[in-house]
Amino acid sequence: KAGVTQTPRYLIKTRGQQVTLSCSPISGHRSVSWYQQTPGQGLQFLFEYFSETQRNKGNFPGRFSGRQFSNSRSEMNVSTLELGDSALYLCASSYRERNEQFFGPGTRLTVL
Amino acid sequence: AQSVTQLDSHVSVSEGTPVLLRCNYSSSYSPSLFWYVQHPNKGLQLLLKYTSAATLVKGINGFEAEFKKSETSFHLTKPSAHMSDAAEYFCVVSFSGNTGKLIFGQGTTLQVKP
Repeated sequence: KAGVTQTPRYLIKTRGQQVTLSCSPISGHRSVSWYQQTPGQGLQFLFEYFSETQRNKGNFPGRFSGRQFSNSRSEMNVSTLELGDSALYLCASSYRERNEQFFGPGTRLTVL
Repeated sequence: AQSVTQLDSHVSVSEGTPVLLRCNYSSSYSPSLFWYVQHPNKGLQLLLKYTSAATLVKGINGFEAEFKKSETSFHLTKPSAHMSDAAEYFCVVSFSGNTGKLIFGQGTTLQVKP
């Protein structure tokens, strides 16, 4: 099976812009979770989607949003970008709750 | 509060010597526990997982971890380090009812010297 894929791999944006990141889970996986990784804060949970419904959300401002499509592909959107949003954004998929999550390579976002 | 603590931010070993990466969790619920590894500029790879079966868990590449409930610990070990083991290691926990959310430790950088 193909692994989790994320596009694009690298993005450079300026403050105030918005960005959309895409994630395709492993075939058959219906749960998709998103994480932000920064040197200062480490890996932090953003949100989780299952069957097109957000089931869980981390402690991030409303500028961070996401959605999931009927084929389980997921997107996350960040509006009004701030310098502090520069990070590696990781997507992970799993078959069932509490099963291990399989991670994609990440999207490296740089905000200038 | 649900949290996980990796006791060492940096561990340095010589090639061929044992590896010990320490992890403690805090929770009043039965957790699922994982160790992930991240090589530079790569995604996270699952090394092993504990989900309330055997307390000694074997993973890939010769790694294993022991779940000790009385100590709320889940330390990662390997008998003999290899140069290719140099990477960032994350102890991770998930809890029933906290759907889809993994809680990561701050990570331990493993350096392997020749």
